[in-house]
Amino acid sequence: DTEVTQTPKHLVMGMTNKKSLKCEQHMGHRAMYWYKQKAKKPPELMFVYSYEKLSINESVPSRFSPECPNSSLLNLHLHALQPEDSALYLCASSHPTGPTHYGYTFGSGTRLTVV
Amino acid sequence: SQQGEEDPQALSIQEGENATMNCSYKTSINNLQWYRQNSGRGLVHLILIRSNEREKHSGRLRVTLDTSKKSSSLLITASRAADTASYFCATVLGYGSGNTGKLIFGQGTTLQVKP
Repeated sequence: DTEVTQTPKHLVMGMTNKKSLKCEQHMGHRAMYWYKQKAKKPPELMFVYSYEKLSINESVPSRFSPECPNSSLLNLHLHALQPEDSALYLCASSHPTGPTHYGYTFGSGTRLTVV
Repeated sequence: SQQGEEDPQALSIQEGENATMNCSYKTSINNLQWYRQNSGRGLVHLILIRSNEREKHSGRLRVTLDTSKKSSSLLITASRAADTASYFCATVLGYGSGNTGKLIFGQGTTLQVKP
């Protein structure tokens, strides 16, 4: 299995809702990442998990809450989002020293719309 | 902050022609990576070139790296309509705990290949 699976593919949520994005990989990768991508812009790093521990938080607002329950799963919990948070949310995985020696494997993303 | 700047921002060519995209970066690197993104989808890792390499080939792709000029180029030969996508260079900018790097993307080049 050489894929990163993200669910759901599309999500519409109100500003008072709580929702979660899910990411799963079975490649044995021990580093997982969340990126946010606005239209016509490059992906922006949000969080990095290494061996199920939060390694990097790029000063992301607390309305985004990541969770890594095990080595195969990565969640992003969403609460009280703003319309400007509408974007494509991408999950990726790699070997923990991935960027040094290997590339990342990306999921197809969750298209999030906040209304 | 973004590490890489790419040019051109947009490129339109006829099928069969070659496409060249350039990437410049600011800090010293261990490697430089190129990714492709089809419209609204996840990114696909194309090729990784290490800082001690000058040129690398993969199928119709040729990547060069000039560390003295802090620049890289991606050449796609004999382009096809299916090559229509956005192309991003990416480098590691800093490390978190566990030595897991932050992969940061350039602004990207949008390539259109006309049949």
